[in-house]
Amino acid sequence: EMQLVESGGGLAQPGGSLRLSCVASGFTFSNYEMNWVRQAPGKGLEWVAYISSRGSTIFYADSVKGRFTISRDNAKNSLYLQMNSLRAEDTASYYCARCAGIVWCHFDCWGQGALVTVSS
Amino acid sequence: QSALTQPPSASGSPGQSVTISCTGTSSDIGEYDYVSWYQQHPGKAPKLMIYEVTKRPSGVPDRFSGSKSGNTASLTVSGLQAEDEADYYCSLYAGSNNLGVFGTGTKVTVL
Repeated sequence: EMQLVESGGGLAQPGGSLRLSCVASGFTFSNYEMNWVRQAPGKGLEWVAYISSRGSTIFYADSVKGRFTISRDNAKNSLYLQMNSLRAEDTASYYCARCAGIVWCHFDCWGQGALVTVSS
Repeated sequence: QSALTQPPSASGSPGQSVTISCTGTSSDIGEYDYVSWYQQHPGKAPKLMIYEVTKRPSGVPDRFSGSKSGNTASLTVSGLQAEDEADYYCSLYAGSNNLGVFGTGTKVTVL
């Protein structure tokens, strides 16, 4: 059974940093493009970052560009999100999500979510 | 890229049908047949229900169906059941082309 498990969420101060991890199992992680998607409390889904299967192509939402860094280690079946210069508006549940499809993707596997709270 | 527009809420009685719309533009939904739909129960991760406008992943009941007309995609839930009460989001996403947007979300209530 394919599975994604996030970790690393918690409380951070404004301007602080956190690193999220997402470990994949049940499928060949290195074959898939991966994403981070977030959801602020009571709000809708927002795409955050994308990384290609080999890590050579990366994109970010404008709201996090220059502050967040997505990366992956295919040998460890792991996806990461380094979050720096955190702001209150970054408070959200962060989900790693697998892209299925060629070019156009649908998210067919999601992690359980990691809650990030940015507050002093 | 602007979010796709969904009605904030929809409702129906058990056994009835409910249809949720997802409106975009001629540059997104109108041009591409790759809309997907996600169901999210409170406190849970989203779950893929429909992809490429009309396709259902294995394990999703055939009560869930998708369609598209012009710039609007739709999700229909037939034979509503209590467990269908959830938030639903549409999406159109091409990661490798840096094109992606979610809908605003619709809360479905089973009366």
